[in-house]
Amino acid sequence: GAVVSQHPSWVICKSGTSVKIECRSLDFQATTMFWYRQFPKQSLMLMATSNEGSKATYEQGVEKDKFLINHASLTLSTLTVTSAHPEDSSFYICSASGLAGGPSYEQYFGPGTRLTVT
Amino acid sequence: KQEVTQIPAALSVPEGENLVLNCSFTDSAIYNLQWFRQDPGKGLTSLLLIQSSQREQTSGRLNASLDKSSGRSTLYIAASQPGDSATYLCAPYDYKLSFGAGTTVTVRA
Repeated sequence: GAVVSQHPSWVICKSGTSVKIECRSLDFQATTMFWYRQFPKQSLMLMATSNEGSKATYEQGVEKDKFLINHASLTLSTLTVTSAHPEDSSFYICSASGLAGGPSYEQYFGPGTRLTVT
Repeated sequence: KQEVTQIPAALSVPEGENLVLNCSFTDSAIYNLQWFRQDPGKGLTSLLLIQSSQREQTSGRLNASLDKSSGRSTLYIAASQPGDSATYLCAPYDYKLSFGAGTTVTVRA
């Protein structure tokens, strides 16, 4: 149980275009979803937290107009990188917490999405 | 702001040796601490979660200790195997998970 999927697993886009990444909780209702970014050889950095039906809360230094997060249902959150630039190339990982049978605060992580902007 | 440090950054051992991975954090006001495993290019797999009231947690060959007052946690892996090769991350949780840079473990057959 408590499986989280991400789509796509990898994506290449041209500079200036937008790309959308999906995060789904497959077998539980995710009341809260989290988006992280990980640069090579570095740790995960929390970008934003979203609760279903509410606006996302962004961490300091994360541009909310560039990284649009939507959590429209209890099983789906999307991250849209708008006007992507090469410096946005990174590994994006989502996690979800909620009614998964364990503590409501426990986060379950997706497999990640590798974004390359050329 | 929670700062998490993991030592060593990398570790290479022969198969069968026991592993000791250290994690320190600056703010001891945490609810729990998790240890994760990350394989190259993959997401995170949760290994152990220790509540702030606990001193240790065990799962199979893995044992994690927590000394909240001193801001330290240690992950022990007994009788290491090549399949244990991965990066291990610790993450204390206050109002969010804060991650260390990880310890990359290589177990040589």
